[in-house]
Amino acid sequence: EVQLQESGPGLVKPSQSLSLTCSVTGYSITSNYWGWIRKFPGNKMEWMGYISYSGSTSYNPSLKSRISITRDTSKNQFFLQLNSVTTEDTATYYCARSSAYYGSPYFDYWGQGVMVTVSS
Amino acid sequence: DIQMTQSPASLSASLGETVTIQCQASEDIYSGLAWYQQKPGKSPQLLIYGASSLQDGVPSRFSGSGSGTQYSLKISSMQTEDEGVYFCQQGLKYPWTFGGGTKLELK
Repeated sequence: EVQLQESGPGLVKPSQSLSLTCSVTGYSITSNYWGWIRKFPGNKMEWMGYISYSGSTSYNPSLKSRISITRDTSKNQFFLQLNSVTTEDTATYYCARSSAYYGSPYFDYWGQGVMVTVSS
Repeated sequence: DIQMTQSPASLSASLGETVTIQCQASEDIYSGLAWYQQKPGKSPQLLIYGASSLQDGVPSRFSGSGSGTQYSLKISSMQTEDEGVYFCQQGLKYPWTFGGGTKLELK
């Protein structure tokens, strides 16, 4: 069974970097696409970006140059780094596997989510 | 960005009632649409992909339809466990975008 588990600090200070890890079991991250999605208070959901089976990445332009997604295939983990955070980055962060149907992507496995608060 | 507009924002339904949730895209997304259900304290669960394909393990009372810019999710007979928030998501163009969510409660 495919399982994803996020880990990382629940509290980050403004202007610092947010770093999260997604550990995957039951499936290799050298297949499919692996993404980060966040949910803000009030239900707004935002796709942040993904890292592909080959290691290529794609990011939401709204995050500009603040975001980086990397991976460690030996540990079957991928990572999120978001720089220069503000209080507006307070959200629940999810990692998820993306599959595709005739080229149309969807998220079929999700982690349980980690709530991150940006506050001094 | 493609904007996804869901309606209604919230609704309540009785046991056994048919429920329909709408999702409108700001441009044609050629059936590149998925639906998710999220229960309180849980992560989203995929219900429908490709606008109308039912994810394995999802009860058959859930169905998706639509084309172009207009899509809908139907629950044919509301059950207690169907309470939650429902989201649509498009994957035609980057950035992939989500609807604002529809909160479904049992009446």
